[in-house]
Amino acid sequence: SQTIHQWPATLVQPVGSPLSLECTVEGTSNPNLYWYRQAAGRGLQLLFYSVGIGQISSEVPQNLSASRPQDRQFILSSKKLLLSDSGFYLCAWSEGWDHGEAPLYEQYFGPGTRLTVT
Amino acid sequence: GEDVEQSLFLSVREGDSSVINCTYTDSSSTYLYWYKQEPGAGLQLLTYIFSNMDMKQDQRLTVLLNKKDKHLSLRIADTQTGDSAIYFCAESMYAGNMLTFGGGTRLMVKP
Repeated sequence: SQTIHQWPATLVQPVGSPLSLECTVEGTSNPNLYWYRQAAGRGLQLLFYSVGIGQISSEVPQNLSASRPQDRQFILSSKKLLLSDSGFYLCAWSEGWDHGEAPLYEQYFGPGTRLTVT
Repeated sequence: GEDVEQSLFLSVREGDSSVINCTYTDSSSTYLYWYKQEPGAGLQLLTYIFSNMDMKQDQRLTVLLNKKDKHLSLRIADTQTGDSAIYFCAESMYAGNMLTFGGGTRLMVKP
């Protein structure tokens, strides 16, 4: 069965420090991968998605970046954190667009990382 | 761009029905979803509906879609305390890829 892992679960970082959040998926190959951010009291915002190794699309311009060094690894990074980067970061995966018979490619979410920038 | 709106909060008594509403603006939305987020956890897909359907029922859950008004609702029958969570409406044009989420509705179930 497929599982998705995120770490760390919680993180407190000072303004201006770097960030690296990691997400890995097991039990599937060539998944689509996504990073979302949920700011306090607000909905989910799609930050990045990836359809393959080294292929990253950004939905929102900001000081964050994403990388996909391996098929099932997705990393969210920042060189210098801002206070506004605080939030709950969720990684998700779905079957690649060449998979599956059903038209619904459900997105499966990880447990999330709560980031507080102080 | 796309926009998905939900009311922030709903409170019901245990055993009553809950109805959570959602409106969206993108007329090309093809897939509409309801996700549940329990405290401190990720999102779990509850149910979904294709835009060519008006209604979908799945055990205690009933989804109604009014495509003309771009209005989606989730009805939970016999609401239990375990249903307390944040419920997110989401839409996409294509299956499972870029989802646009609403702000979430916090459902509180009182015993």
